[in-house]
Amino acid sequence: AQKVTQAQTEISVVEKEDVTLDCVYETRDTTYYLFWYKQPPSGELVFLIRRNSFDEQNEISGRYSWNFQKSTSSFNFTITASQVVDSAVYFCALSEDPTGGGNKLTFGTGTQLKVEL
Amino acid sequence: GAVVSQHPSRVICKSGTSVKIECRSLDFQATTMFWYRQFPKQSLMLMATSNEGSKATYEQGVEKDKFLINHASLTLSTLTVTSAHPEDSSFYICSARPVQGYVNNEQFFGPGTRLTVL
Repeated sequence: AQKVTQAQTEISVVEKEDVTLDCVYETRDTTYYLFWYKQPPSGELVFLIRRNSFDEQNEISGRYSWNFQKSTSSFNFTITASQVVDSAVYFCALSEDPTGGGNKLTFGTGTQLKVEL
Repeated sequence: GAVVSQHPSRVICKSGTSVKIECRSLDFQATTMFWYRQFPKQSLMLMATSNEGSKATYEQGVEKDKFLINHASLTLSTLTVTSAHPEDSSFYICSARPVQGYVNNEQFFGPGTRLTVL
C-alpha cells in the first residue's frame, strides 16, 4: 500500500524567510507520480507540480523549488522569500498510476504554513 | 481549459434529509471522476471512483448505500448523501480525469462543496 507522510503539522515563518516542507512517501511500485497541492482558506486545491519517478531532476519555478530524492523517498518543497499570500495548507500526494497520475491519489496529512509580517 | 465545477458550493441541511452534489467537467470529457472527503484540518480521503456508464468503486469503509454515486454522462457525476447526519458534515471535493487531450491524462479538481448537517 502507498503512504505519504508530512511530519510537519504546522510551520510559522516571518515574511521573506525561506521555508521547506517535507514529504516522505512509501510505495512498492517503480513507476509512480508525486504531486504538491496548495489549499488556501477557500478550500480549492491549487496544483503546483507533478513529478514522475524516473525524473529526479530538481525543479525551480519562481520562488518555488522541489527536491526529489529517490534514495530517501522524499519530495521536499521549498518556498524562497516567503510571502503572506503563501499562507495555506500544502499537501503532498502520490499516485501509482503509470499513465500520469490520473488514478486515485493518496494524500499526506498536509502542512499548515503561516507566513507573518 | 480543464475546468471542473461543483454545485452547490455550500449546503446546510437537516438531519435525515438527502443532499445531491454535482461535479461537472466544463470543457473536457471525463470517463473517470473521483470523490474525496475532507474533515476539518484533515487530509483528503478518497471515497470512490466514478466511471461513466458503470457502477462506482468504493474505498474500504465507505458505505455505498449511503453515498450514492451516479456518472451518467462524460461530463457529470453526482454524489448523493442519503439520510445525512451531523457526522457527514464535511468538505466534499471531486476530480475529473480527461478522456484525452491533456498531458498524461492527469486529473483536475473541483472547488469543493461544504456540507453542514444540523
